[in-house]
Amino acid sequence: DGGITQSPKYLFRKEGQNVTLSCEQNLNHDAMYWYRQDPGQGLRLIYYSQIVNDFQKGDIAEGYSVSREKKESFPLTVTSAQKNPTAFYLCASSIVDLRGQRNQPQHFGDGTRLSIL
Amino acid sequence: GENVEQHPSTLSVQEGDSAVIKCTYSDSASNYFPWYKQELGKRPQLIIDIRSNVGEKKDQRIAVTLNKTAKHFSLHITETQPEDSAVYFCAASVYNFNKFYFGSGTKLNVKP
Repeated sequence: DGGITQSPKYLFRKEGQNVTLSCEQNLNHDAMYWYRQDPGQGLRLIYYSQIVNDFQKGDIAEGYSVSREKKESFPLTVTSAQKNPTAFYLCASSIVDLRGQRNQPQHFGDGTRLSIL
Repeated sequence: GENVEQHPSTLSVQEGDSAVIKCTYSDSASNYFPWYKQELGKRPQLIIDIRSNVGEKKDQRIAVTLNKTAKHFSLHITETQPEDSAVYFCAASVYNFNKFYFGSGTKLNVKP
């Protein structure tokens, strides 16, 4: 989906460093999500946001932080408190269907692969 | 919260054969079940989805079935082709939370 752009594609983190992963979407979606994917495992939810200036913790939020100041942007910061940050990070977005009251499919970005130096 | 289990973790079939991947979920309030295909190093892409008011849905060689009573749903791929080789993920969600719970994935290998 060309509508979701993640950058950078590869990122390296030094000991004690915070790094920020970018996620931008031009699909006019209200909801945005961050997932972590480890080799051979499924997607685990880090944070999600259904509306600007509001976000909720997912299942593995410790060591991560987010902001949602604009509808199209949902950056993820991997802090030094996250002791095992090496993983593939996926950002996704979806429509919030208030009228039909039905969940809509998520659209994913190409991911950022984070490694430790 | 919801727990989604997916089986098998790996599946190897001969080209032209059928492949079936099964998922179970725990929360009876889950009402939307998408399936994603992820090729190596790429983004997951939606291939088919089903809602709880429907028992089966087909799209060419792909079909999904849902058994709400047993809380399980399955992906069926017929006449498999080498380009079907990928990792497939199932997911379940409840409306009003906009949270999706993913299975652990099935690596499908279609041998030519």
